[in-house]
Amino acid sequence: GQQLNQSPQSMFIQEGEDVSMNCTSSSIFNTWLWYKQEPGEGPVLLIALYKAGELTSNGRLTAQFGITRKDSFLNISASIPSDVGIYFCAGVTGANSKLTFGKGITLSVRP
Amino acid sequence: DAGVTQSPTHLIKTRGQHVTLRCSPISGHKSVSWYQQVLGQGPQFIFQYYEKEERGRGNFPDRFSARQFPNYSSELNVNALLLGDSALYLCASSLAEISTDTQYFGPGTRLTVL
Repeated sequence: GQQLNQSPQSMFIQEGEDVSMNCTSSSIFNTWLWYKQEPGEGPVLLIALYKAGELTSNGRLTAQFGITRKDSFLNISASIPSDVGIYFCAGVTGANSKLTFGKGITLSVRP
Repeated sequence: DAGVTQSPTHLIKTRGQHVTLRCSPISGHKSVSWYQQVLGQGPQFIFQYYEKEERGRGNFPDRFSARQFPNYSSELNVNALLLGDSALYLCASSLAEISTDTQYFGPGTRLTVL
């Protein structure tokens, strides 16, 4: 079945640093999404991408939809302690809204 | 406005029992999807319902079933529980069933099977 690959499983950065996360797939997706999940909560949508090549920003977050439709990246600039959490990429292929998620990257920010 | 709500928040069951989880979508949202999130993994799609009809099903056994009510709330039922069914069950709602509609997740129901 379809799979989204996210690595590494964990990332440790210093407060103020920038961090980049990639998500790759062997399948094409029509929509790419980035979610953040904190303990005890459901995933919260950070950025949605709908067109190949699209670059979208949301505050300190920037994400791009890869030209091949098989990858996406998320950048977080000037990290702060509240950026701690699990970051998931997700893709949508067909006409319905089924999301395929990656395994997530746990981000830790050292003050 | 209230977001997606799920009940109960936590549940403990034993093997072989059945469980019913409930979800209320955001007001005005007609599509509800269910996901299973095992510890350390991303959510896995179980079902999508739109206008009370099943519109998508993931790779889960027939022990899993769901339905959507006229007020667009939804139930997920799991029969003959196995230890491996222990997970966080997430409900997401969106306005319609199309891929470009933003899905909003609830906080989930934590199911533990002993």
